[in-house]
Amino acid sequence: GAGVSQSPRYKVAKRGQDVALRCDPISGHVSLFWYQQALGQGPEFLTYFQNEAQLDKSGLPSDRFFAERPEGSVSTLKIQRTQQEDSAVYLCASSLVISNSPLHFGNGTRLTVT
Amino acid sequence: GIQVEQSPPDLILQEGANSTLRCNFSDSVNNLQWFHQNPWGQLINLFYIPSGTKQNGRLSATTVATERYSLLYISSSQTTDSGVYFCAPTPTPNDMRFGAGTRLTVKP
Repeated sequence: GAGVSQSPRYKVAKRGQDVALRCDPISGHVSLFWYQQALGQGPEFLTYFQNEAQLDKSGLPSDRFFAERPEGSVSTLKIQRTQQEDSAVYLCASSLVISNSPLHFGNGTRLTVT
Repeated sequence: GIQVEQSPPDLILQEGANSTLRCNFSDSVNNLQWFHQNPWGQLINLFYIPSGTKQNGRLSATTVATERYSLLYISSSQTTDSGVYFCAPTPTPNDMRFGAGTRLTVKP
């Protein structure tokens, strides 16, 4: 595709619900990142994939957060039993290779937990 | 982890003015990128600049890796330049860290 695509654009969940956020990276991009951006803050790293392998998940804030990229293209970020503090914009980014490549971001999914 | 400090935190300019945004970082880096987040939240990659100077139209960036800082220059600013500018140094290939950003407002 022309760019990184994320869906849904907006998601409202009641506290305790599970949510799934989707990311379609640019075709052929090996590296895929998930970031969390709270209001007025810079993006915070969550997790990183190289193809289908999740090489770094050190930024996931709790075991309620889970990410996968089973075929090395589309990725899903799942949040179980959502809490109010999970409210944020979730950004997906991809790059052609792990290093020496600029990062391209999607428009993000704005999650509001009520 | 690496510490990233951006200055100034907020900047208000009159259209046509020039500005310099600064990014200091605490550790040596593999590369560094500058991003612009527009008012609709879209993050746009401006520069991939681990060292040296690059120019793209009215924007240019310089990274002095040995002194651990990078500068973003905006000349002849336009209202469409408004938004938040982030620098993101990368100490290791998969460890890109964002600063808190500089919020730029360009007034007509």
